[in-house]
Amino acid sequence: ETGVTQTPRHLVMGMTNKKSLKCEQHLGHNAMYWYKQSAKKPLELMFVYSLEERVENNSVPSRFSPECPNSSHLFLHLHTLQPEDSALYLCASSQEVVQRRYGYTFGSGTRLTVV
Amino acid sequence: AQKITQTQPGMFVQEKEAVTLDCTYDTSDPSYGLFWYKQPSSGEMIFLIYQGSYDQQNATEGRYSLNFQKARKSANLVISASQLGDSAMYFCAMREGTGNQFYFGTGTSLTVIP
Repeated sequence: ETGVTQTPRHLVMGMTNKKSLKCEQHLGHNAMYWYKQSAKKPLELMFVYSLEERVENNSVPSRFSPECPNSSHLFLHLHTLQPEDSALYLCASSQEVVQRRYGYTFGSGTRLTVV
Repeated sequence: AQKITQTQPGMFVQEKEAVTLDCTYDTSDPSYGLFWYKQPSSGEMIFLIYQGSYDQQNATEGRYSLNFQKARKSANLVISASQLGDSAMYFCAMREGTGNQFYFGTGTSLTVIP
């Protein structure tokens, strides 16, 4: 069982739906991330939260809206998505930059299909 | 320009043999870290090994070792004594300076043949 838990594991939604992805970690990490993984493409960083503040937003369309209510939880709210948004969405956490030797701890991802 | 390049989309290796997965990187920052992750079909990305730009020796973690050639900007992963459970996608990643962002390659799919 990974230290980072993502729910749901699979999600099928229509283009007019609103849904949310949830990520939870109890590792004591203080930075959390959303990544998008599409076939045959490098992982794309979407959002970074450090100490519950958003520090990075890599030109992500507004139909994706992140929320970080506390250091253990991260949400990705979805609305009016497009079929090309179908992908594996990975959440990750880490300690702040001090411990550079350690990589992220990833969740198992949410496989999203937009129909 | 891509920060991380993995040129092998797919690799096959016989069980108990060693295999090398290639990774080259591009950065002008003198301080950086290189990582390898394994992603089985379950989707979870599992951290395998780390190499710092100032580390004098190649990193090793059990059956994993990193062949770090700084002048060539390459950080190849060597898996010794391959096991069937090693079949997965493998991603090389880099973190520059003190930044939070990791740059990932497109991955290499490794299949271990019994």
